[in-house]
Amino acid sequence: EIVMTQSPATLSVSPGGRATLSCNTSQSVSSNLAWFQQKPGQAPRLLIFGASTRATGIPARFSGSGSGTEFTLTISSLQSEDFAVYYCQQYNNWPLYTFGQGTKLEIK
Amino acid sequence: QVQLVQSGAEVKKPGASVKVSCKASGYIFTSYDIHWVRQATGQGLEWMGGMNPNTGNTGCAQKFQGRVTMTRNTSISTAYMELSSLRSEDTAVYYCARVGGPTYDWGQGTLVSVSS
Repeated sequence: EIVMTQSPATLSVSPGGRATLSCNTSQSVSSNLAWFQQKPGQAPRLLIFGASTRATGIPARFSGSGSGTEFTLTISSLQSEDFAVYYCQQYNNWPLYTFGQGTKLEIK
Repeated sequence: QVQLVQSGAEVKKPGASVKVSCKASGYIFTSYDIHWVRQATGQGLEWMGGMNPNTGNTGCAQKFQGRVTMTRNTSISTAYMELSSLRSEDTAVYYCARVGGPTYDWGQGTLVSVSS
């Protein structure tokens, strides 16, 4: 089973700043990686799939990169609504998917 | 519009089983996978398993093998997830999700509480 490691666990950034979140996988998942945003009391929202493709309606300030075992989600020019918990998920081997443990993005 | 409507909250005793339903509408049920994800209070997302409603093929995380059963009734566009041998650690909100490429639509969640 593929193990996902997200870092950091908590990230403090000022509004208008830039956030860089990391996700590593225990074995290569090619580009079969997605990023989700979750706010309290809500279901997760898909941000990025295929490691770097924004989902429908996702602002351009969200960008994903990486392949193989190392991935990054970058959020530029942070808005107040961006402070949330972010999860990566690999989907390389149907249907055995895995989530990372999450990164909490908080206001500095 | 696409909707996934889950069954209501459940309270179960340790050792019992729970079956959560997920009724889909607004799309062709057999065209997208249905996955199940759970989240304990204050904890992260935990992927449980997934099913192809067209073929009935399923797969689940190692942790749940032998305890989770995913089924569907295509005539009523409904997927089911049954979890057996419940323990207190299974207390969580259980979500179903329609999954396919860039598509990820979620049900509203079902709270399952396990307590003696």
